Amino acid sequence: ELTQPPSVSVSPGQTVGLTCSGPDLGERSVCWYRQRPGQPPTLVIYRDDKRPSGIPERFSGSNSGNTATLTISGTQALDEADYYCQAWDINNVVVFGGGTKLTVL
Amino acid sequence: QMVESGGGLVQPGGSLRLSCSGSGFTFSNYDMHWVRQTTGKGLEWVSAIGSAGDPYYRPSVKGRFTISRENAKNSLHLQMSSLRDGDTAVYYCARSAVNWNDGFDVWGQGTTVTVS
Repeated sequence: ELTQPPSVSVSPGQTVGLTCSGPDLGERSVCWYRQRPGQPPTLVIYRDDKRPSGIPERFSGSNSGNTATLTISGTQALDEADYYCQAWDINNVVVFGGGTKLTVL
Repeated sequence: QMVESGGGLVQPGGSLRLSCSGSGFTFSNYDMHWVRQTTGKGLEWVSAIGSAGDPYYRPSVKGRFTISRENAKNSLHLQMSSLRDGDTAVYYCARSAVNWNDGFDVWGQGTTVTVS
């Protein structure tokens, strides 16, 4: 139910927005996770736009209408990873987006 | 941190019990979840249990999987039965605050379940 583009590319130092779409998503709370190869996911944004301790300020989030966006400013090579959005569906089941592979080149 | 165990190879229709041990935090204060990930695929929430023991399941595992916790032992379990090929995945345990909107802030390294 949550749709993410399969892949996005960005140049080092640039700003990139990763999108997550779903019906009335703006009315739900969205979280974002980063997953590097061979590692479990790491929470980078919760409640649409809150950063957990230890997550750099260049990670920010927004959520309105049918789309949530994770924005990474000043993208670095270490940001290369898979990114997943997460919310709830109408049956109160946790749902994840299909993930976006971010390539920094 | 959290450490999963119990994964392995099982035939279709078989059973398996996963466990997750938590340390470094007050286990009983958190809701606990199981999230799985198939090879090269995305994440899928499986089940959760509240701090008081109230269980939640995704529809495809309801009636086949049972989640439980032992707060005195800082342990989380997932009893899986009638396993299917589609249950093959890496299973992660993850914790959340009582308000799930705060996200899953700590994850284990995962344990692999192969149904074949």
